[in-house]
Amino acid sequence: GAVVSQHPSRVICKSGTSVKIECRSLDFQATTMFWYRQFPKQSLMLMATSNEGSKATYEQGVEKDKFLINHASLTLSTLTVTSAHPEDSSFYICSAKVSGPNTEAFFGQGTRLTVV
Amino acid sequence: GIQVEQSPPDLILQEGANSTLRCNFSDSVNNLQWFHQNPWGQLINLFYIPSGTKQNGRLSATTVATERYSLLYISSSQTTDSGVYFCAVELTGGGNKLTFGTGTQLKVEL
Repeated sequence: GAVVSQHPSRVICKSGTSVKIECRSLDFQATTMFWYRQFPKQSLMLMATSNEGSKATYEQGVEKDKFLINHASLTLSTLTVTSAHPEDSSFYICSAKVSGPNTEAFFGQGTRLTVV
Repeated sequence: GIQVEQSPPDLILQEGANSTLRCNFSDSVNNLQWFHQNPWGQLINLFYIPSGTKQNGRLSATTVATERYSLLYISSSQTTDSGVYFCAVELTGGGNKLTFGTGTQLKVEL
């Protein structure tokens, strides 16, 4: 299957700082990438859809000014958590799909963010 | 929005046993995938199965889209099968995004 690489896998930051997470599709082009958030013992919740060359589409309740998404190329999307607070601590996972309708989604390894 | 419910929520098996996990969804879907989330959080693709039946080793899956459910069968379970199993669906006309089910936490014991 296709490979999606996410970096870093773990990050600890201080309150008030910003953290950038990268998501790369290594062997395919992805016009659309997705960012999810997962709290302990819970399912994955979609935060936003990232479209190459255009603005991201955020799900209801997700603050676009706090979670900045940039999809600068067909293989790279970034999520920046701005002015992080302890309640932003979570597991963040990205996903990418091969371009075209009805295609399979592949996921990165995830990033565990801890804000202290 | 679409509801995706999985059952059972928790399951404990003895090694070698068989099991069936169920995924019910409330609306018409284009796509359905099954994943295994390992203890490190990585989502492993098991099946891309919008309809029909597929098999891969000890695992198989069946989706009956018209009745809005999918089943994941695990045969001869092993301790390495432990983890959380998710189904995820792509709603028809929903913009390619996957909505995840509630998950089944599986523990396989010796």
